[in-house]
Amino acid sequence: AQKITQTQPGMFVQEKEAVTLDCTYDTSDPSYGLFWYKQPSSGEMIFLIYQGSYDQQNATEGRYSLNFQKARKSANLVISASQLGDSAMYFCAMRLTGNQFYFGTGTSLTVIP
Amino acid sequence: DSGVTQTPKHLITATGQRVTLRCSPRSGDLSVYWYQQSLDQGLQFLIQYYNGEERAKGNILERFSAQQFPDLHSELNLSSLELGDSALYFCASSVGPNSNEKLFFGSGTQLSVL
Repeated sequence: AQKITQTQPGMFVQEKEAVTLDCTYDTSDPSYGLFWYKQPSSGEMIFLIYQGSYDQQNATEGRYSLNFQKARKSANLVISASQLGDSAMYFCAMRLTGNQFYFGTGTSLTVIP
Repeated sequence: DSGVTQTPKHLITATGQRVTLRCSPRSGDLSVYWYQQSLDQGLQFLIQYYNGEERAKGNILERFSAQQFPDLHSELNLSSLELGDSALYFCASSVGPNSNEKLFFGSGTQLSVL
């Protein structure tokens, strides 16, 4: 069964605008961690933001924020004030207590000048 | 720079051959993870080592093996290579073995099997 679902294969956003990348997850484990990674064309994976399942507040890291809705099992990434350098693949991931790590299929974001 | 070092960056080899990919984790990190990213399957978890011991196993083929050495670097061995093994192989590290830790990825090794 799909553990992490990213339904948007590609997204476009105007420079300086905000964009939301969707991610839903499926687990019955009460303890889990949710992550977002950025993969630019160079191929490396860059950690962006983390949300723990017991965290009360939504995580924020600079221009990145995670809109965590536990009841809906969603962990959407919000990028504010998009920059051209934000163009990349974005992966949502979940880590369970068995140390299994599940990645979504990714969303390709293109920032338009 | 994530602090995770992977070598080589690119590897071209022929079917049936064996290769070894190397990963040095961030200083202080005890866990090493290996992932395979191919076009048709996305990012797949292969295996995790923590402080020299195998910790978790994912979709790793029997032709593949890995180990973590006392200095904490890790090697992923791929043998009897097939065309379908062509992919980007990532190594990642974290401080401990637990579920709520950040992973830091290396820049990957691009393997091309011809």
